[in-house]
Amino acid sequence: KQEVTQIPAALSVPEGENLVLNCSFTDSAIYNLQWFRQDPGKGLTSLLLIQSSQREQTSGRLNASLDKSSGRSTLYIAASQPGDSATYLCSTLTRTGANSKLTFGKGITLSVRP
Amino acid sequence: DAGVTQSPTHLIKTRGQQVTLRCSPKSGHDTVSWYQQALGQGPQFIFQYYEEEERQRGNFPDRFSGHQFPNYSSELNVNALLLGDSALYLCASSLQGPGIVGEKLFFGSGTQPSVL
Repeated sequence: KQEVTQIPAALSVPEGENLVLNCSFTDSAIYNLQWFRQDPGKGLTSLLLIQSSQREQTSGRLNASLDKSSGRSTLYIAASQPGDSATYLCSTLTRTGANSKLTFGKGITLSVRP
Repeated sequence: DAGVTQSPTHLIKTRGQQVTLRCSPKSGHDTVSWYQQALGQGPQFIFQYYEEEERQRGNFPDRFSGHQFPNYSSELNVNALLLGDSALYLCASSLQGPGIVGEKLFFGSGTQPSVL
């Protein structure tokens, strides 16, 4: 059974700081890994999706890496801004035949102080 | 191009009542998945609908049921509401079929029923 862990649960940093959010998973046989952003009481917005054959993906100030063998992914945020304050969740997609299962971590709540 | 839309946004029910939540997928998507997210937790998979059939189901009781219509929209029904059913219910849409890879999900903003 896949387990996705995100530690710490919360993080507070000053504006402008570069930061790394960590995600670990127990089953390395993933199809892909996806990072989402969630604002309070809202839905999830996909930030980056890394296929199992890829090592990293970049979008603007965001860079996500994937190391399947060690069961780890990181989301790097450069030059953080107060608008980056949100909860960041990672999820893994595993497949068994025609069925697929998306497993989420509990998320990391980021607060960027002006 | 409209994204995933859910209705209603919020609602209040009492214990034992029934609730119906609605979802319209992103244009061009044919698959709808429903998730329950309790406060401070990651979303938990309820079930997935494709071609108007329930294709997969998570560890949720039969009180949770759903439906998909020919236009790919979907409903989630919860019967005999319990206090613990108070959570954010998220709908996600995707495209499935031969040759489709990645299964990137697009989420709606969610519906937050409060059970009193």
